[in-house]
Amino acid sequence: NAGVTQTPKFQVLKTGQSMTLQCAQDMNHEYMSWYRQDPGMGLRLIHYSVGAGITDQGEVPNGYNVSRSTTEDFPLRLLSAAPSQTSVYFCASSLQTGWQPQHFGDGTRLSIL
Amino acid sequence: AQSVSQHNHHVILSEAASLELGCNYSYGGTVNLFWYVQYPGQHLQLLLKYFSGDPLVKGIKGFEAEFIKSKFSFNLRKPSVQWSDTAEYFCAVNFLSGGSYIPTFGRGTSLIVHP
Repeated sequence: NAGVTQTPKFQVLKTGQSMTLQCAQDMNHEYMSWYRQDPGMGLRLIHYSVGAGITDQGEVPNGYNVSRSTTEDFPLRLLSAAPSQTSVYFCASSLQTGWQPQHFGDGTRLSIL
Repeated sequence: AQSVSQHNHHVILSEAASLELGCNYSYGGTVNLFWYVQYPGQHLQLLLKYFSGDPLVKGIKGFEAEFIKSKFSFNLRKPSVQWSDTAEYFCAVNFLSGGSYIPTFGRGTSLIVHP
């Protein structure tokens, strides 16, 4: 029972590079979401999905792209990395949309130089 | 935009002291309310949640929270803290908007408990 799995755990990028943060869950949860956590800012919602094929923007979507082709996977793409995107990224899932993130992944610490 | 406020940014207590962390939100419609804990270097873990019913909610590790609708508040309490409660605590509110619940987190409260 892996729960929510995020890869990689750490990543350093140069400005302008693109990359994909992977997120997978094995609990058959419909709702998945991506957050970024910055010091003193709490968690801010980037994108979320209420089921396969359905995604929507959260509070801070600019510079990020998502897709949900399967129930299990919800990758987050950085299109052209910027230093302002240096952060810790958490993927989360829950059984229903109103239940908030029930389970979080361990996070990806991303540094943009 | 809806907002969640945690007024205590840093709290320092001695073991056995009582704890109360404040959380207020700005939305008058349907909400679900949550408290999470984040231990150093770890991801967030759900402490407790409120959807409906008894406004006094009991969670894990001896924590409880009270929903006061008239005050738009959901404060977290623990009668006697332990050193192991040192962590960051986040209040979160799920606002019902356009048929979807939109989660919003407070900025967090850093709790340090001295042995």
